[in-house]
Amino acid sequence: GAGVSQSPSNKVTEKGKDVELRCDPISGHTALYWYRQSLGQGLEFLIYFQGNSAPDKSGLPSDRFSAERTGGSVSTLTIQRTQQEDSAVYLCASSLGDRVGEQYFGPGTRLTVT
Amino acid sequence: KNEVEQSPQNLTAQEGEFITINCSYSVGISALHWLQQHPGGGIVSLFMLSSGKKKHGRLIATINIQEKHSSLHITASHPRDSAVYICAVRGYQGAQKLVFGQGTRLTINP
Repeated sequence: GAGVSQSPSNKVTEKGKDVELRCDPISGHTALYWYRQSLGQGLEFLIYFQGNSAPDKSGLPSDRFSAERTGGSVSTLTIQRTQQEDSAVYLCASSLGDRVGEQYFGPGTRLTVT
Repeated sequence: KNEVEQSPQNLTAQEGEFITINCSYSVGISALHWLQQHPGGGIVSLFMLSSGKKKHGRLIATINIQEKHSSLHITASHPRDSAVYICAVRGYQGAQKLVFGQGTRLTINP
């Protein structure tokens, strides 16, 4: 079966523009995560969705970042008024959602803000 | 101090050598993950463990909950094992997010 897919794979945008990044999780996975990996930095958590529960937004770095998950499947991460420090690889992962479920990562979207 | 510390940060070895990468964490966890990231590639989950030891091919992962420490071992290392290995922990009480170590860059020379 298909793994986690993300689009676009690469995105170059001008400072101040809004961008949308998409994640298609593995079918049947109720949990979905967004992470960010900045150049030379480790991975950091952004937001977590589990079923119909309120998302855990504790990792979002500013109010310019938001995410939604429609129909319990596809998720979109939106960054408004992009800044150069937003340049990073944005990774999506999904899991079955049980307490110790293994997470499956997508290939990531490389965002470059010029 | 980071919640998850890995050592070494960089490791270069010759093909065939036995490799050990260490991970220490400071919080209570429900599970620990070892991930592999190849240059320009995505992230692959190698192991998820909450106690004891797991083995998959030439890779072995161990965890000591009391000491808050885990190790990833690679036996008979090969150049294709060259990658960044990342330790990540998941907390208790439904805190499903992963907290990551900084990663260990492994290079295996032929």
